[in-house]
Amino acid sequence: TQLLEQSPQFLSIQEGENLTVYCNSSSVFSSLQWYRQEPGEGPVLLVTVVTGGEVKKLKRLTFQFGDARKDSSLHITAAQPGDTGLYLCAGVNYGQNFVFGPGTRLSVLP
Amino acid sequence: SQTIHQWPATLVQPVGSPLSLECTVEGTSNPNLYWYRQAAGRGLQLLFYSVGIGQISSEVPQNLSASRPQDRQFILSSKKLLLSDSGFYLCAWSVSGDFTLAYYGYTFGSGTRLTVV
Repeated sequence: TQLLEQSPQFLSIQEGENLTVYCNSSSVFSSLQWYRQEPGEGPVLLVTVVTGGEVKKLKRLTFQFGDARKDSSLHITAAQPGDTGLYLCAGVNYGQNFVFGPGTRLSVLP
Repeated sequence: SQTIHQWPATLVQPVGSPLSLECTVEGTSNPNLYWYRQAAGRGLQLLFYSVGIGQISSEVPQNLSASRPQDRQFILSSKKLLLSDSGFYLCAWSVSGDFTLAYYGYTFGSGTRLTVV
């Protein structure tokens, strides 16, 4: 069974700070996706990374896929209250099966 | 553009009562459809998925069932709810075809918060 771990589980920071959250597994994935979920809403896809070592930027968010395709990180620069939410990573294996991590709950205080 | 509608947003039901949650997708044809349940701190658990009308695959044994009576309609049901059925239920769709989910991911509905009392 493939498992994804996310750390930290909870993170509370002040507006303007930088942060990094992590998504780790012992399994290799063909791709990895990051979603953001706001309270009472469904997750929204932020990015898909496919190539080992790939880096993608989405405004103040930087996503990196590990060289071995087993892990990923999400870095947010100058966090804003609008970044508050649950960040979920999801790994896709070569059999097209999805596995979601438990998420990192981020709170950005004004 | 494609949209996904899920209702109701919240539901409080007594133990032993039936359940019917509905999900519809607009703006696309022949989507893959999914029901997920989200428990706090445990991520999303896939309950059912469907690649076409009348085609339902179940991922976990449970007190729930799913049906797809029309191409863009997906229904989650139960004959008798249990306390353990409480949770946040999410419907989602993806583009059909090989490897599309891996690249384009899911589009989720806004969810139904079910509380069984």
